[in-house]
Amino acid sequence: SQQGEEDPQALSIQEGENATMNCSYKTSINNLQWYRQNSGRGLVHLILIRSNEREKHSGRLRVTLDTSKKSSSLLITASRAADTASYFCFCMIYNQGGKLIFGQGTELSVKP
Amino acid sequence: NAGVTQTPKFRVLKTGQSMTLLCAQDMNHEYMYWYRQDPGMGLRLIHYSVGEGTTAKGEVPDGYNVSRLKKQNFLLGLESAAPSQTSVYFCASNLGRNTEAFFGQGTRLTVV
Repeated sequence: SQQGEEDPQALSIQEGENATMNCSYKTSINNLQWYRQNSGRGLVHLILIRSNEREKHSGRLRVTLDTSKKSSSLLITASRAADTASYFCFCMIYNQGGKLIFGQGTELSVKP
Repeated sequence: NAGVTQTPKFRVLKTGQSMTLLCAQDMNHEYMYWYRQDPGMGLRLIHYSVGEGTTAKGEVPDGYNVSRLKKQNFLLGLESAAPSQTSVYFCASNLGRNTEAFFGQGTRLTVV
C-alpha cells in the first residue's frame, strides 16, 4: 500500500482563497516533499521538509510536518488560476534502501 | 545541463512485444527511479537504484526489469508487454539524502 495519501483528492476554490492539502503516511520517514504536476506532465519540486523540522515556507507555500501524527499539510495562500494542478506528497524512506513513495495526489482547481 | 531525459516520449506496442525505456541524467545523481502513473492511482514505484550497478524492487515490479550499468542511465525493460502496462512512465533522480528529485517529462506507452 502507498505511503503517502493525500486528502482531499480534489479541491475547487476561487482565486484569492487559500488551499490546504493534507498528506498522511504510514511508517517513519526521513523527509517529505511536495510536488506539483500540470496536466500529466513531469513533476516539479515545490518544497522539502526534513523529519526534524515542523514548518517550512517558500513564497506563498507553507508546509507543516507532524511526525507524531504521521501527517503533513501544504497551504497555498492567495491562490491564483495558475496554481491549478495536481499536488503530490512524496516520502523518502531510507530504512527501505532509499525508496521514494508517492501518494495519489490532490487535484486543485482555482477558478478565476 | 539537460536534467532528466526520457526516451522515447510515446510508443505503441503490440501485446507480447518487448521494449526498453531509457532514462538519462547529467547531474551525477546517485538515486534513480522508475514510476508509472495511472488515473486515480497516483505514481507507483516500479524499480529504483541507489547507485551504479544496484537495483531494487519498488511497489509494482512484476513484468518489468531494470539495469543501471552506468551511473547516468537507468533502463526499464518490458520483456513481454501486456495491455495492463499501458501507462505513463516517469523517471526521476536525486543526489541522495534530503535532496529534491528531478523528473523526466514522461513516456506514454500504449499496449494494444
